[in-house]
Amino acid sequence: SQQGEEDPQALSIQEGENATMNCSYKTSINNLQWYRQNSGRGLVHLILIRSNEREKHSGRLRVTLDTSKKSSSLLITASRAADTASYFCATGNSGGYQKVTFGIGTKLQVIP
Amino acid sequence: NAGVTQTPKFQVLKTGQSMTLQCAQDMNHNSMYWYRQDPGMGLRLIYYSASEGTTDKGEVPNGYNVSRLNKREFSLRLESAAPSQTSVYFCASSVRQQGAEAFFGQGTRLTVV
Repeated sequence: SQQGEEDPQALSIQEGENATMNCSYKTSINNLQWYRQNSGRGLVHLILIRSNEREKHSGRLRVTLDTSKKSSSLLITASRAADTASYFCATGNSGGYQKVTFGIGTKLQVIP
Repeated sequence: NAGVTQTPKFQVLKTGQSMTLQCAQDMNHNSMYWYRQDPGMGLRLIYYSASEGTTDKGEVPNGYNVSRLNKREFSLRLESAAPSQTSVYFCASSVRQQGAEAFFGQGTRLTVV
């Protein structure tokens, strides 16, 4: 079973709008990562947030982490058509061996 | 800088045939991974290699074997392909196993008929 679950599974917005995706997970984590996958391509790492961090920014991306609610959100501001892709969260567990578990993704469509 | 290179990009196999998917990284990473991606299932870990000389099962290892040939190369073998193994396979690597971003190859689209 998947550790992380993204919500919504699909999102369609107009160019220039903000897009927010959420990820919920079940067990304690060491870190949480967000990846982007363009159609037919491999995944590209966007941002990593550690369990002791609450918010992180990278360009137009803002990630928050609420360990008490076991959830994270990814905000893409001023979206562009090139942001059209699937977005995945991946959780790294606590403990000796880090098992990184991916969710099923949010498919984002940005309409020009 | 090629990153993670997978070969082949596409493959069609008949049920019962065998094949090896090749993966090489040029980033001097310690850890390497094989995932499969199926619609509605996300990415599932098949096998991983935390460091050169070690391999371990992931979430869905049945029907697969792996070899960490050296630090650069990590291959995935299907000994007797089954239609259930039709999927897109991704190799990934990371500098270490804990808390590090993973770099992915472009994927191998495998169809078993």
